[in-house]
Amino acid sequence: GAVVSQHPSRVICKSGTSVKIECRSLDFQATTMFWYRQFPKQSLMLMATSNEGSKATYEQGVEKDKFLINHASLTLSTLTVTSAHPEDSSFYICSVNRGLGRQNTEAFFGQGTRLTVV
Amino acid sequence: AQSVTQLDSQVPVFEEAPVELRCNYSSSVSVYLFWYVQYPNQGLQLLLKYLSGSTLVESINGFEAEFNKSQTSFHLRKPSVHISDTAEYFCAVSEEGGKLIFGQGTELSVKP
Repeated sequence: GAVVSQHPSRVICKSGTSVKIECRSLDFQATTMFWYRQFPKQSLMLMATSNEGSKATYEQGVEKDKFLINHASLTLSTLTVTSAHPEDSSFYICSVNRGLGRQNTEAFFGQGTRLTVV
Repeated sequence: AQSVTQLDSQVPVFEEAPVELRCNYSSSVSVYLFWYVQYPNQGLQLLLKYLSGSTLVESINGFEAEFNKSQTSFHLRKPSVHISDTAEYFCAVSEEGGKLIFGQGTELSVKP
């Protein structure tokens, strides 16, 4: 069964509104979750690392005020796209690592969220 | 910073033919390498991984990849593909903290 649940799978919103995407770890507690963005026919680009109980760590070039991340519990991280614009339309994917230490970790991915801003 | 290069953006192949998807990485430190598969509008699924030990790793569905340190490569192979193998394949290397750095992806299209 699924290890990571991401919701919603698809969302269409009007320009200027905000959209929240949830990522849940179903089988284990996760102090760290990752948010990726994928453009059509392109690779996944890491946006930010979500840390339980503290601020997220954003990659260079990612607007923290635009993409709000909240990791309020050990099983839930949310990504909110604020004041969405058509250029924010993309496929957003979260992942959770299980295990300790770099060698023993395995990443599990959510099903992804297709965001379309009209 | 580490980087991953997948040399082929698209690989069309006929069913039951062999296939190789190429992946090269750049890193001066020990690496952990992964291949993920993505079906349309879905997340990624781990296909196989190299952490240490034997340089040849296999998946349960017939794929294999060989870690070649001298050539900094981790090419994915399958001796006989099926229609159901049609998908996007991503090579990735892990960094400290669990981040994954992905290659550009290779679209494998298996035709009857």
